[in-house]
Amino acid sequence: AIQMTQSPSSLSASVGDRVTIVCRASQDIRNDLGWFQQKPGKAPKVLIYAASTLQSGVPSRFSGSGYGTDFTLTISSLQPEDFATYYCLQDYNYPRTFGQGTKVEI
Amino acid sequence: EVQLLESGGGLLQPGGSLRLSCAASGFTFSSCAMNWVRQAPGKGLEWVSTITGSGDTTYYADSVKGRFTISRDNFENALYLQMHSLRAEDTAVYYCVKDRGDSGYYPIDYWGQGTLVTVSS
Repeated sequence: AIQMTQSPSSLSASVGDRVTIVCRASQDIRNDLGWFQQKPGKAPKVLIYAASTLQSGVPSRFSGSGYGTDFTLTISSLQPEDFATYYCLQDYNYPRTFGQGTKVEI
Repeated sequence: EVQLLESGGGLLQPGGSLRLSCAASGFTFSSCAMNWVRQAPGKGLEWVSTITGSGDTTYYADSVKGRFTISRDNFENALYLQMHSLRAEDTAVYYCVKDRGDSGYYPIDYWGQGTLVTVSS
């Protein structure tokens, strides 16, 4: 199975900060990677798919990049509603595998 | 508007069986592969199973293979997860999750709100 290593596991940031989360795949997954945001007690929400395509309705401060094994999710200017846990997921092959998650805290 | 509404969760003893359902609306159900993803309390997300749009191909996580069966009814726009030989480690919120396409090789685009399964004696 492809291992997805996400870092950091948590980070502290302030409103207005630029935040970057990294996801590394254990093998080449082309651009078959998605990013999800989850708030406590809620279902995850799609932010990015195909590594860099913004899901409809997601604010443009979110962006994704990468190809192959190294991927990043960037929040250009952190807003109060962005404090949440973020997960990456490879959908290149089965079993699909998630990163461990990154909790973004104040 | 896409809606995915899970049901069937509950409390049951180890070794028991349960069937989860997901009622789908707002899209052409047969054109989309569907997934079950779970999240144990306080833990991360774990992919469980996928079924293609036609229902002819299924995929399972090793942790559930041989115990869980995913199926769908494209006439009723419903997704199912039949779970047998349940263990404490199957305790989780189970999410019904939609792919963008039918093959099982498209990205995810929508999540349901989840249903809680608790396995405890």
